[in-house]
Formats: sequence, structure tokens, C-alpha cells
Amino acid sequence: EAGVAQSPRYKIIEKRQSVAFWCNPISGHATLYWYQQILGQGPKLLIQFQNNGVVDDSQLPKDRFSAERLKGVDSTLKIQPAKLEDSAVYLCASSVIAGWGETQYFGPGTRLLVL
Amino acid sequence: AQSVSQHNHHVILSEAASLELGCNYSYGGTVNLFWYVQYPGQHLQLLLKYFSGDPLVKGIKGFEAEFIKSKFSFNLRKPSVQWSDTAEYFCALRHGSGNTGKLIFGQGTTLQVKP
Repeated sequence: EAGVAQSPRYKIIEKRQSVAFWCNPISGHATLYWYQQILGQGPKLLIQFQNNGVVDDSQLPKDRFSAERLKGVDSTLKIQPAKLEDSAVYLCASSVIAGWGETQYFGPGTRLLVL
Repeated sequence: AQSVSQHNHHVILSEAASLELGCNYSYGGTVNLFWYVQYPGQHLQLLLKYFSGDPLVKGIKGFEAEFIKSKFSFNLRKPSVQWSDTAEYFCALRHGSGNTGKLIFGQGTTLQVKP
């Protein structure tokens, strides 16, 4: 079974520029998450989608971050304009509910460096 | 607010030594608990999970964890580590209400196993 795919794997931009990340979840997984992982910390949720609807975006900095999942499959996360503190790894995860509960599967991440 | 705390930030062991990584959480309700591992250059992978039932859960590669509700703990153990266990380990919590929801991660523990 193919895993969660993300691209690009690495991105270097200057502050105030914009950037977009793409995620393709595991086939059939209705729920999709974007997490931000700053160096030395655990991942933190940015946004959760169920199919193409937003379930939780309470921790998404909406003045600069946006995300969409138009057809309930692929998703894009955009930052505009980027700040230095956005340097992090952006992880996409998709999930399946089986047995007693939900298990999330993670992609390889996009490592962003803002200069 | 829910939180996860991993006490050991960096652990160095020799091969064949026993391993125990601490994980404590704060949340008064039903929880699902997870340990993820990130090998160098790879993505986050699920080691094991606890949803309900037997508090001693076994995962891949000889790892196990014990859920102790009275201590709000979910420590990870392995009786004999190998050099290939060198990785970063993350404990995570999901509150048990609802079918899906964000994972709350600890800050991670880096394990270095010396050959």
C-alpha cells in the first residue's frame, strides 16, 4: 500500500515570499491533517480535514496560512507571506478508523527554511 | 489543556541494554496513546498504540508500552536495544471522544545506541 506522499521535500525561500506544499493521502483515507514540526519539538496540528470540509483549524495562523482539500483527496497548504519563524517541517497525515480507534499515518514532510 | 511530557530528551545506551522512555500526559478523560518513531532520514512511523483493554501493548520490533491510568503514564520499553534502534521517539495522545482528532505530541526523545 502506498503511503502518504508530499512534495516538495525541501524548500528555501526568503521572508515575505509565498510557498505551497502538496499532500496526497493514502487511498481511501477520509481524514487528512497538516502538522508543523519546529526543530526540537513534537508536531503540532495546523488543520484537520474530513473529506473536503474543515474540522479543526483553531491553531492555523489564518492571516498567513491557508489550506484546501477541494475534491476530498489531495490537499495544499500555503503560506503567504512567510516569516522566519515558519521555518519548520510540515507534515501531512491521513487516517483510518479500524478496531477501537483512529490511526494516523505520516508522510515524509516538507522541510521549509525561511531566510 | 491536554499535554504530553517526555522526560528524557537524549538517551545514550550500549547495544543489549534495556530501554525505558518515560511519557506522562495530562488529560482527565478517555485517551488513546501512541508511540511513533522517526529513524534518521525517514518519516514518522507508528510503533504501537493503546485504545482500550489490556494496558500492556506490544508493538513492532520488540517494543512494548504499559498504560498506567493512575499515573497518567505510557512508558515505552524494550529489553535489549540494537544499534538500529537509534532514532527519535515521540509519545502522542488523542482524546478518546469522537472518531477522529488531532494528536498531541511530546517533545521527543533522541535515542542513540552505541555498537
